[in-house]
Amino acid sequence: GDSVTQMEGPVTLSEEAFLTINCTYTATGYPSLFWYVQYPGEGLQLLLKATKADDKGSNKGFEATYRKETTSFHLEKGSVQVSDSAVYFCALRGGGSNYKLTFGKGTLLTVNP
Amino acid sequence: SAVISQKPSRDICQRGTSLTIQCQVDSQVTMMFWYRQQPGQSLTLIATANQGSEATYESGFVIDKFPISRPNLTFSTLTVSNMSPEDSSIYLCSVPEAGAHTGELFFGEGSRLTVL
Repeated sequence: GDSVTQMEGPVTLSEEAFLTINCTYTATGYPSLFWYVQYPGEGLQLLLKATKADDKGSNKGFEATYRKETTSFHLEKGSVQVSDSAVYFCALRGGGSNYKLTFGKGTLLTVNP
Repeated sequence: SAVISQKPSRDICQRGTSLTIQCQVDSQVTMMFWYRQQPGQSLTLIATANQGSEATYESGFVIDKFPISRPNLTFSTLTVSNMSPEDSSIYLCSVPEAGAHTGELFFGEGSRLTVL
């Protein structure tokens, strides 16, 4: 079945540091890939998405490229801010017509000033 | 984007009791989904709530434990029955993006249940 493996946390960085959170997946067909973010005390929000190979999703300075050859969708940001402190979830929707998402375990990011 | 409201936002429950979580969406949606987020774990789909028919449950989840209602296109409830400490989790309601086919989901803020 479908699965998502993402980097174990927690991750602690200083402001303006470079961020990478690794995400790899296993899926049949051609999945869509997502990064969701959960800020403290809030619900999950979609951060970015990519629906086909080589697509790059981007939002709020974050980027992730859909790499079919390595089955990866790593999240990157060149310069993190304190306000980026949150839990980040990688997720996929397998090929097909339903909307079921398979999530990774989440990575807690803390950015210190 | 859809606005999803869940009640209660959090509760502390006694073992053996049941609790019903409500999910209200500000627009009509065909499908609504209930997820569980156990402490330190990823989100797991419990079931899909379909209006006018019974919910579709994922492997490992059964209707007797998690009965779901879907009386109309904007509302659903999830009941956690005969609770045990293992049911302590965040329960999230979600709906798909209207008119899109990319699989994006919108989530409520979740209901955090602690079972003593």
